[in-house]
Parts: sequence; C-alpha cells; structure tokens
Amino acid sequence: KQEVTQIPAALSVPEGENLVLNCSFTDSAIYNLQWFRQDPGKGLTSLLLIQSSQREQTSGRLNASLDKSSGRSTLYIAASQPGDSATYLCAVFGGDMRFGAGTRLTVKP
Amino acid sequence: GAGVSQTPSNKVTEKGKYVELRCDPISGHTALYWYRQSLGQGPEFLIYFQGTGAADDSGLPNDRFFAVRPEGSVSTLKIQRTERGDSAVYLCASSLSSVSNTGELFFGEGSRLTVL
Repeated sequence: KQEVTQIPAALSVPEGENLVLNCSFTDSAIYNLQWFRQDPGKGLTSLLLIQSSQREQTSGRLNASLDKSSGRSTLYIAASQPGDSATYLCAVFGGDMRFGAGTRLTVKP
Repeated sequence: GAGVSQTPSNKVTEKGKYVELRCDPISGHTALYWYRQSLGQGPEFLIYFQGTGAADDSGLPNDRFFAVRPEGSVSTLKIQRTERGDSAVYLCASSLSSVSNTGELFFGEGSRLTVL
C-alpha cells in the first residue's frame, strides 16, 4: 500500500523567503504526482501536476520536481507572500490517489 | 457545470441515522473519487469510479458505507447507521482520465458531516 509522507508538518516563514516543501512516497510505480493547496474550511485547489515521465513543472512562483526512483517530490515556492499561507498537500496516483497529511504554511508579513 | 459540485455543504445528523451525500462531477469527466478528511489530516481515499463501475472500493471503512454512480455522472455516497466517528468532511473529485492516461484531479468544496 502506498504511503505518502510530507515534511515538515508545519512551517512559518517571513514574507519574501524562498522555501521548499518535501513529499516522499514508498511505491515508485506511479502515474503522476499532484500538489494541492487547501485553505481552512475549503476544498483542494490543484497547483501542479507532474506526470511520471516528467522531472518538473513550473507555474509562476511555484516549481515542483519529481524523482520517481527515489520516491521524492519537492515544491519550491519563490518569494513567499502572506497569501501563500495555506496547507499544501501532495498526492500520488498509482491506480488510486493517496495523499500526504500536508504541510501547514504560514507566511508572516 | 463549471466545477465539481457537492451537496449538502453541511449535514448534521443523529447517531444511527442514514445519510446521503451527492457529488456532481465536471461534465465529461469519467473518473470520480470520494475521500474523507478529518481535521488536521490529509484526505483518506474511500472509493474510485471509472464510468459507472467502482474500480477500487478498498478504502470504504466497513459495510455501512456504499457509493453508486448509476449513469456514470452524478455519484451518491451512502452511510447507514451513522456513528460519531463518521464525522468528517467528505470530498469528491473528478478527472478526465482513465487509469492508464491520468490527468489532473479537481475537487469539490466538500460535505461536512457531523454525527451527534
């Protein structure tokens, strides 16, 4: 059974910092990996989707990488802003989609 | 519709009652997923439909939980004899893709179930 782990569980940074969120998974036989953002009391918003054949995807200040063989993905956020405060979840798809517990990010003004 | 729609957004019920939660996926999306999320946790997989059939229902916690998708579009998650431990946010997601051609997952806002 696929296990997905996200480190750190929580992160607090001052505005403007670049930061990295980590995601690891136990079974490398995946079709894709997706990063989501979740605001309190809300559903999940898709940020980036990386297919298993890809190494990275970029959208604006966000960059996600995938190293399938080592079972790792990172989400890089450049020049963080208070509006980036949310919980970030990674999910891997290998037939079904399994989620990590998320990293709760706080960006202080 | 433009996005995944879930109803009701909030449901409060008493222990032992029966509840139904509805999900209306994005038009044309063949894959539909149900998840359950407790406070501070990531979404927990329940069941996945490809078209009308349940491709994987291994996440359903017990036989009190059942889901259908009779016409390959709208899905209903049914919970019998609800227990307090069933209280959570139930999330639905849909995707264009089949298993071998995966694509982006889009989520609804969820249905918050509270069992008193």
